[in-house]
Amino acid sequence: KAGVTQTPRYLIKTRGQQVTLSCSPISGHRSVSWYQQTPGQGLQFLFEYFSETQRNKGNFPGRFSGRQFSNSRSEMNVSTLELGDSALYLCASSLVLADTQYFGPGTRLTVL
Amino acid sequence: DQQVKQNSPSLSVQEGRISILNCDYTNSMFDYFLWYKKYPAEGPTFLISISSIKDKNEDGRFTVFLNKSAKHLSLHIVPSQPGDSAVYYCAASEVGGSARQLTFGSGTQLTVLP
Repeated sequence: KAGVTQTPRYLIKTRGQQVTLSCSPISGHRSVSWYQQTPGQGLQFLFEYFSETQRNKGNFPGRFSGRQFSNSRSEMNVSTLELGDSALYLCASSLVLADTQYFGPGTRLTVL
Repeated sequence: DQQVKQNSPSLSVQEGRISILNCDYTNSMFDYFLWYKKYPAEGPTFLISISSIKDKNEDGRFTVFLNKSAKHLSLHIVPSQPGDSAVYYCAASEVGGSARQLTFGSGTQLTVLP
């Protein structure tokens, strides 16, 4: 069974731009979560989606948003990029809510 | 306020010996704990988990121990192999409504020396 896939793997943007990252969960998994990893803050929870609804949100500004489609695939969007948004963005999927999460390889975003 | 703490940023162990990675938490509402392994440029890989109703869970070379009264858990790897060299993250979660979010520690770099 294929794992969680994320596209693109690497991305370079400039301040003020916006970016969309994509995540395809493991087949059959219905819950998708997003995390941000930076050297200073470590791994931090962004949000979780289940059945196309955001179920939980971490402590991030409104510039960070996401959505989930009917096939459980998810996208996250960051608008008005700042230098501090440079990070590894990780997507994780689970069968249902409250289940073990399996991570994708991440998207490395660099903001110049 | 760090709710999950891994106080040892690094650990070196000889091949074949036991590796013990430690994790402390402060939130008494956490009811599920996980360990992930991460290689550079890859996402975390799930290793093992434990529910708060248990105090031990084993899976092959990996055993996780949970001491609820001390709010402490540990991961034992026996025997350690060079391929185990990676960053290990402790994570914890509490059921909030119907959602579950993971709170991660800062990680411990394990190096297994041949």
